[in-house]
Amino acid sequence: GENVEQHPSTLSVQEGDSAVIKCTYSDSASNYFPWYKQELGKRPQLIIDIRSNVGEKKDQRIAVTLNKTAKHFSLHITETQPEDSAVYFCAARGYRDMGRRALTFGSGTRLQVQP
Amino acid sequence: DVKVTQSSRYLVKRTGEKVFLECVQDMDHENMFWYRQDPGLGLRLIYFSYDVKMKEKGDIPEGYSVSREKKERFSLILESASTNQTSMYLCASSLLSPRSGSNTYEQYFGPGTRLTVT
Repeated sequence: GENVEQHPSTLSVQEGDSAVIKCTYSDSASNYFPWYKQELGKRPQLIIDIRSNVGEKKDQRIAVTLNKTAKHFSLHITETQPEDSAVYFCAARGYRDMGRRALTFGSGTRLQVQP
Repeated sequence: DVKVTQSSRYLVKRTGEKVFLECVQDMDHENMFWYRQDPGLGLRLIYFSYDVKMKEKGDIPEGYSVSREKKERFSLILESASTNQTSMYLCASSLLSPRSGSNTYEQYFGPGTRLTVT
């Protein structure tokens, strides 16, 4: 089955700096790679996603890059703000035992933006 | 604008009890999922369902079962709760395929149920 590894587990940056979170996946058949943000005490929410036929996607201060050959993808946050402080999860959508696709999540990165 | 709801935010049960966690979505989604969230382990898939009465095991199905009798409702059952099932349980739903003009398989999560088994 799919295995997703996420690094770093914690990340502290100064306000205004950039933050990068990296994930690797094992199943070359995975076709969709979302990133979820979970603020303290709240539910995870999708912030950006990318399909396997695209190399990069941007949405204002956040971007995701995908390298299918190396099987890794990254989240980039520029001009970080205190409200970016949260836990971020990457995921990959691969096949399960009975042929259906489902997400496998990484272990999460706690981002702290220092004012 | 709540779209995915879970029956309880906090639940305390005793070892050996049968526990029911319920999830309801109002978005007419085909897929529904149950995850457990533990510090340092991320979100681990327990079971998912892609249609009424259909289910598929996730990564950690042992000790759990599920039921989906109606499209909007997906239940997680702990047949005999144990202390190692103390965790945060999150339900989610999504479309089976992206809508026309969209590339997303976005999952919408419920608020979570923090279950403590003593």
